[in-house]
Amino acid sequence: KQEVTQIPAALSVPEGENLVLNCSFTDSAIYNLQWFRQDPGKGLTSLLLIQSSQREQTSGRLNASLDKSSGRSTLYIAASQPGDSATYLCAVRSDNYGQNFVFGPGTRLSVLP
Amino acid sequence: EAGVAQSPRYKIIEKRQSVAFWCNPISGHATLYWYQQILGQGPKLLIQFQNNGVVDDSQLPKDRFSAERLKGVDSTLKIQPAKLEDSAVYLCASSLGTGTLGQPQHFGDGTRLSIL
Repeated sequence: KQEVTQIPAALSVPEGENLVLNCSFTDSAIYNLQWFRQDPGKGLTSLLLIQSSQREQTSGRLNASLDKSSGRSTLYIAASQPGDSATYLCAVRSDNYGQNFVFGPGTRLSVLP
Repeated sequence: EAGVAQSPRYKIIEKRQSVAFWCNPISGHATLYWYQQILGQGPKLLIQFQNNGVVDDSQLPKDRFSAERLKGVDSTLKIQPAKLEDSAVYLCASSLGTGTLGQPQHFGDGTRLSIL
């Protein structure tokens, strides 16, 4: 069974800092991995999708990396802003387990002005 | 393009009552998902449709939950009868095409269900 964990559960940083969010998964036979952002009372907004053949993806101030062999992905946020405050979730689509997304519990990020 | 639409946004019912949620996916998206998200947790897949056929409903509590996707577009998710542990946000998502493994999922804002 694929299990996804995210560390830390919560993070508070001052505005302008660069930060890293971590995602770990137990089964490295993945198809792809997707990072989402969730604002309070809202659905999930897709940030980056990394296919299993890729090492990283970039969008603006966001960079996501994937290391399948070690079962890890990181989301790097450069020059954080208060508007980045949200919960960040990673989801793994496995080659096994019906090929459906398994989500981590999320990291709640607060960027202080 | 218009996003995934869900209604209602909020619902409060008493236990043992029934409730239904509605989802309209992004136009042209063949795959539709229903997720349950309990407070403080990531979403858990309940059911996946490909057009109007069920691809995976292995985590759907079939004694009380049912879902349909008539004509391969809109979908409804029903709970009957509701239990206290069903209190959660129910999220609908869709993705493009029939070979969707490489495609991102797009989510609606969800329906927040509270069971009294």
